[in-house]
Order: sequence, then structure tokens, then C-alpha cells
Amino acid sequence: GIQVEQSPPDLILQEGANSTLRCNFSDSVNNLQWFHQNPWGQLINLFYIPSGTKQNGRLSATTVATERYSLLYISSSQTTDSGVYFCAVKTGANNLFFGTGTRLTVIP
Amino acid sequence: KAGVTQTPRYLIKTRGQQVTLSCSPISGHRSVSWYQQTPGQGLQFLFEYFSETQRNKGNFPGRFSGRQFSNSRSEMNVSTLELGDSALYLCASSLGPSGGYTFGSGTRLTVV
Repeated sequence: GIQVEQSPPDLILQEGANSTLRCNFSDSVNNLQWFHQNPWGQLINLFYIPSGTKQNGRLSATTVATERYSLLYISSSQTTDSGVYFCAVKTGANNLFFGTGTRLTVIP
Repeated sequence: KAGVTQTPRYLIKTRGQQVTLSCSPISGHRSVSWYQQTPGQGLQFLFEYFSETQRNKGNFPGRFSGRQFSNSRSEMNVSTLELGDSALYLCASSLGPSGGYTFGSGTRLTVV
């Protein structure tokens, strides 16, 4: 199956700092999503972004499909941004494959 | 618009028992997928249903099964529970196989 690698695995930030999370994938995809897993386990959909750039408040994402990577930007981080961020991709009619996640800790 | 609803939220079962988990997708969504999340294995795909038909199946033993009803609600069943089945089980719905996925809050299963 497709390989999905996320970096860094762990990230500790001071509140107010900016960060960039990266997702590399090994094949062409027709679906790419970024999720934030909250402390209760729910996966919150941040972006559906198989290509291009999107922004939602302090968060933005860019996927360069031809180079097989996606970036998630978090600006002016807040303690509520803490949690695990997952990138998930899908090829053809296959299922969604998840990366191993980036654990973000924002300290006040 | 109601989100994806999973029941129950928490469950404790004994080894050897069986369990059934339920997932109600977003209204109008016809595709339902199930995932297992454990600390050691991460998020692993179980199966996906679309219009009552299983479209894809992950690499899990036959003890794991599922089905989808005509109203798109889905259930998954695990028989002969093992300690290693303790996990967070997540359900996701989408309009169809090529759309974005929305996840429910999950069912946390503990096998003792």
C-alpha cells in the first residue's frame, strides 16, 4: 500500500509560535486530508486538500501533488492546538491511509 | 446537521465474548469506513461499505466483520475477543468513495 510519512514526530512550541508539519506520500493520491485528534480521541477534519492551498483562520495547508507532499501551517499557536495531527491519503478506490502523526504540545 | 454518531462510547468486555459497535453516518452519506487505533499500530483500516456492499477490507482476521443497512447505518462485530482487541474504534462517513471523510467520536473498547 501507499506509504505516508509525517514529520516531525513530536513538536513542542511556546504559545504564539508558528509551526509547519509535513506529510510525504509515495504515490499519486485523489484524496488528502489533515485531521486533529483531540484528547477524547475524535478526529477533527481540518482540511480536504488533494491539491492546492486552503486557509481556515490560523491554519492553512498546501498540497503539491506532483511532488507528493503536503504541509500544514499553524500560526500563533494556542494551547488548544495541542494534540496529534494526522495526514491521511487515498489512492483510487482504496481506503484512507494514515500517517503516524505529529504530536504537538503548545506550552503557555 | 448531525455528525457521525458512534455507540456506545465506552465498552468493557471479557476475553472470549463478542461485541457489536454501531455507527450512524451523516444524513445523505452512503459510505461508511471503520478504523482501529492502538498505541502500537496507529490507525488501521478495517473495512468500508457503500450502499450495503463491502468495498474494501483491511488485513484483519475473520473475527472482525461488519455490515451496512439500507439506511446507511453500519455495525461492526468482533467475536471471540482477545486482549489485543482493546482499542479505539473509529467510524467515518463520506458521500461516496471519492469524497472527504468525517469521523465520529469513537468507541473505546477494553478487553479484560
